[in-house]
This record gives sequence, structure tokens and C-alpha cells, in this order.
Amino acid sequence: EAQVTQNPRYLITVTGKKLTVTCSQNMNHEYMSWYRQDPGLGLRQIYYSMNVEVTDKGDVPEGYKVSRKEKRNFPLILESPSPNQTSLYFCASSLEAGVGDTQYFGPGTRLTVL
Amino acid sequence: GENVEQHPSTLSVQEGDSAVIKCTYSDSASNYFPWYKQELGKGPQLIIDIRSNVGEKKDQRIAVTLNKTAKHFSLHITETQPEDSAVYFCAASVTSYDKVIFGPGTSLSVIP
Repeated sequence: EAQVTQNPRYLITVTGKKLTVTCSQNMNHEYMSWYRQDPGLGLRQIYYSMNVEVTDKGDVPEGYKVSRKEKRNFPLILESPSPNQTSLYFCASSLEAGVGDTQYFGPGTRLTVL
Repeated sequence: GENVEQHPSTLSVQEGDSAVIKCTYSDSASNYFPWYKQELGKGPQLIIDIRSNVGEKKDQRIAVTLNKTAKHFSLHITETQPEDSAVYFCAASVTSYDKVIFGPGTSLSVIP
């Protein structure tokens, strides 16, 4: 089954404790992206990647890191989480970027930073 | 940069009635406008999209219209059903770039 998976689905952590949210897709998509969803703000893009070893900042990259060492994986790293990073996070992928391609979203990761 | 506004933020309709959600965008270069449906506990899922060379697109009970001059586009759902209840997001992008800007979402409730 074609899908985007994220782990963990739920995470409660404390300020300053490094964490990683994994994202994996099995569709051989080139483009992957991370979004955060907050009430009243919709989805805001954090980082995106056009292909292996190619990443770039979205609209709200502060406090986040990403890497794209393999085509299928695109982990989101919070080196020193803070309470304002409490949010619902979505990973998405699409076949290509720049052509208005359909994005397929993962199920989401609900992160709480105390 | 691009800014997308979406109205209303909440919408309740009786089953069988029509629902309309409207979005405006700021960047005249935007040329791709997808609509996503997000059910509770799930990620957004594309339901319909439209490109700037088309004024209207229809897929069964769902249609999208685009007015490039006014920079607004709308989602129309006819003969609504309870399973249409969800949060709907519009978005706009310039397909030569890599960013998709989402609206804040509309929570649609269809009352049986």
C-alpha cells in the first residue's frame, strides 16, 4: 500500500531534550516536506526536500533541522525543543516538485513540549 | 510572499444542502490551487485542484471555480452528506517554486 508513515504518532517531552520524528514514504517520491498545523493558522511549511541531499527552508524553519540521506526518509529533528513547538506535525511527499503535484500526507505526529 | 485567506472558518449545513468555501490569495504569480480535506485524526487528503488556465473544474458533487482577476477561488459541495463533515483547506502555489501556502481551514459540519 502506498503511504507516508510517521513515528511516533504522539510524543510528550520536556524543554531542551533532543528528539527526532521520522517520516518514510514507499512511493519513490522525490519531494518531501514537513508542516506544522496550529489552530487558526492552517498548515505551515517547515522544511522541504526536492531530492536526496537537497533540502531548503520553508516558512517556519527556526528550531528545526532535517536531513535527506535516502530518498524514502526525511526525519525532522528538534535539537532543543521549546513549548512553542507544541503542535501537530505532518510529513508529506509528492512525485516531483514544481509541477503542482499532489501531496500525500502522513497521519500526523502530535508533539507536546512541557 | 503569498498569503491565503479562507472563509468561513466554520460552516454548518443541513444534509442535502450546498456548501461553499471561499479563498483569496495575494501572489498574482500563483497558478496552482489544490483543496484538501482533513478528517479527524488523519492527514489532509487532496480532493480537487485547479490550475490557472482553467476557470472551473468539477468532480461529481465537488466543484472549484477560479477568478484570476479577483484572485479568489471557491469550493462548492452539492448534495452534502454527513461524511463530508471535515476540515477543508485551500492552498495556492507557484508551480515553478516549491512552496505551497495553505489557508487556515474551514470546519464543515453536515447535520443529518
